[in-house]
Amino acid sequence: SYVLAQPRSVSVILGETARISCGGDNIGARSVHWYQQKPGQAPNLVIYSDTNRPSGIPERFSGSNSGNTATLIISRVEVGDEADYYCQVWHGDSDHRVFGGGTRLTVL
Amino acid sequence: EVQLVESGGGSVQPGGSLRLSCAASGFTFSRHDMNWVRQAPGKGLEWVSSIISSTGNIYYADSVKGRFTISRDNTKNSLYLQMNNLRPEDTAVYYCARDPYIGSYEIDYWGQGTLVTVSS
Repeated sequence: SYVLAQPRSVSVILGETARISCGGDNIGARSVHWYQQKPGQAPNLVIYSDTNRPSGIPERFSGSNSGNTATLIISRVEVGDEADYYCQVWHGDSDHRVFGGGTRLTVL
Repeated sequence: EVQLVESGGGSVQPGGSLRLSCAASGFTFSRHDMNWVRQAPGKGLEWVSSIISSTGNIYYADSVKGRFTISRDNTKNSLYLQMNNLRPEDTAVYYCARDPYIGSYEIDYWGQGTLVTVSS
């Protein structure tokens, strides 16, 4: 099975840039999607297909994907960005969707 | 406005069964692939199952294969998950979730979830 590895937690100073990684075997060959989940809420798509932002997502959210690591980048971090973030891919070999374990973003 | 509303969750003993439903509105249900994703208390997201709109193909996570059955009724704009032989590790919030278009594999809309608790 395909495994996505995320750090359990990332801390960032208010106004700085947060980078959340998602590691997987040759993940650069796959489309990676990112979700934000705040306590008590359903997840919300923030980046799809590596670099694309859905309507309504601030330009501060961006993504990259190359080699064995995909990265969610949040610029000018705000208190409201505190949440859990999950990466996700489709593993075509098994027709399974796979989620990373999630990263808790803390704003200091 | 796209809405996905789950129902059918509750408490059940190990070995029991539950049927979850998801009522969809605000979009042409028959044109979208649909999914169930779950989240155990305090844990991460886990994909459970998908049903493809164009082919009817169905896929399951290994952890539920043979015990869960996903289905849809396009005339009722509804998605279902029949869960049999439930185990304590199936305890989770179950989300109904939509793919934005055929061949996409991200999820653009989620329901609010329904809690399933498996305990003796």
